[in-house]
Amino acid sequence: DAGITQSPRYKITETGRQVTLMCHQTWSHSYMFWYRQDLGHGLRLIYYSAAADITDKGEVPDGYVVSRSKTENFPLTLESATRSQTSVYFCASSHSLQGLSNQPQHFGDGTRLSIL
Amino acid sequence: KQEVTQIPAALSVPEGENLVLNCSFTDSAIYNLQWFRQDPGKGLTSLLLIQSSQREQTSGRLNASLDKSSGRSTLYIAASQPGDSATYLCAVSPSGSRLTFGEGTQLTVNP
Repeated sequence: DAGITQSPRYKITETGRQVTLMCHQTWSHSYMFWYRQDLGHGLRLIYYSAAADITDKGEVPDGYVVSRSKTENFPLTLESATRSQTSVYFCASSHSLQGLSNQPQHFGDGTRLSIL
Repeated sequence: KQEVTQIPAALSVPEGENLVLNCSFTDSAIYNLQWFRQDPGKGLTSLLLIQSSQREQTSGRLNASLDKSSGRSTLYIAASQPGDSATYLCAVSPSGSRLTFGEGTQLTVNP
């Protein structure tokens, strides 16, 4: 079925480890986004991508790396995980820029990441 | 910096009641405003998107209004049902390339 899928759904790791969260969409949407959701902060944008090989920082990019070699995939890597990165991570995609059309962002079901 | 506030943080109502959720934002220079629904353990589902040139959008029992000049939006839910129980999030797009979210209103509709 078409949609946006995130993997893994749950992940526990230790501080200092590298961990990669995967995001795959089947709509051929040009824009993809990574958010984290934390109590007291709501959802905050980490990185986004306008197309393959084009990425840009969001509100909270420190400690994260992204890449987009293919339109359908947008992995998020924590190079050296810290406890402050314990969160729920959401990937989203949209056909075009939010502000230039009436196309909403579509979200995956999230990855719950715990860093011990 | 754009800030989005949602009031109340939580709301509990009996089934059948009409209700209003509020969203306010500090910078009126937005491209659009979007309302989402989030169920526990799930991602966000887009409910309504209002372009900056529009005043309201309707979908079924949901009606969202936008007053850019005052920095306010409301989501009206008619004849609420237990299945409407969820967290409702408001988000604005200040620049077209990102969304700024409020923290949400947790709605419980009691049978």
